[in-house]
Amino acid sequence: DTAVSQTPKYLVTQMGNDKSIKCEQNLGHDTMYWYKQDSKKFLKIMFSYNNKELIINETVPNRFSPKSPDKAHLNLHINSLELGDSAVYFCASSQTGVGIQPQHFGDGTRLSIL
Amino acid sequence: GENVEQHPSTLSVQEGDSAVIKCTYSDSASNYFPWYKQELGKRPQLIIDIRSNVGEKKDQRIAVTLNKTAKHFSLHITETQPEDSAVYFCARDMRFGAGTRLTVKP
Repeated sequence: DTAVSQTPKYLVTQMGNDKSIKCEQNLGHDTMYWYKQDSKKFLKIMFSYNNKELIINETVPNRFSPKSPDKAHLNLHINSLELGDSAVYFCASSQTGVGIQPQHFGDGTRLSIL
Repeated sequence: GENVEQHPSTLSVQEGDSAVIKCTYSDSASNYFPWYKQELGKRPQLIIDIRSNVGEKKDQRIAVTLNKTAKHFSLHITETQPEDSAVYFCARDMRFGAGTRLTVKP
């Protein structure tokens, strides 16, 4: 069974559209994250949730809105997509506490904006 | 937030040689020091980690050393193999270093 699963794996869409990426973990972890990895491979934290509560919100445009219906799910909705949003988005989870336990990553969602 | 500086950005070694990657941090709040490996097109995966109550940890050909006084921690890979070729990241809290692309030439 996949520990951290995110869908879709690939997302190709036009500029200005709205899209969502879903993430689910079956590890029983309390903390979940969203990262953006650009073409230069920088892994940049976007959001972190602990038990459905937002803990970290980095300087991310408010077009990005995370939502955690329960502690096993952390979805990412993006409004008015821009060319600069093209990247690989990784979801991750850890047992508890932000950044003090090993993180388990999903396989990533490659977002391409046309 | 925590700043993490990782060097070098690229590293090329001959198969069988050793590789060392270093990360320098600024904040001492967290006691957790992980290293992740990301193969091409794959997700980052934890390969080794250390907590600040120890100075070194080994797992077969990989080791992590921690110097709390100088605020840096290093990844050591011995007897490198072509399958070690990947991008390696250190992390502090949820912030990652810029990555080191390691190439092991057969």
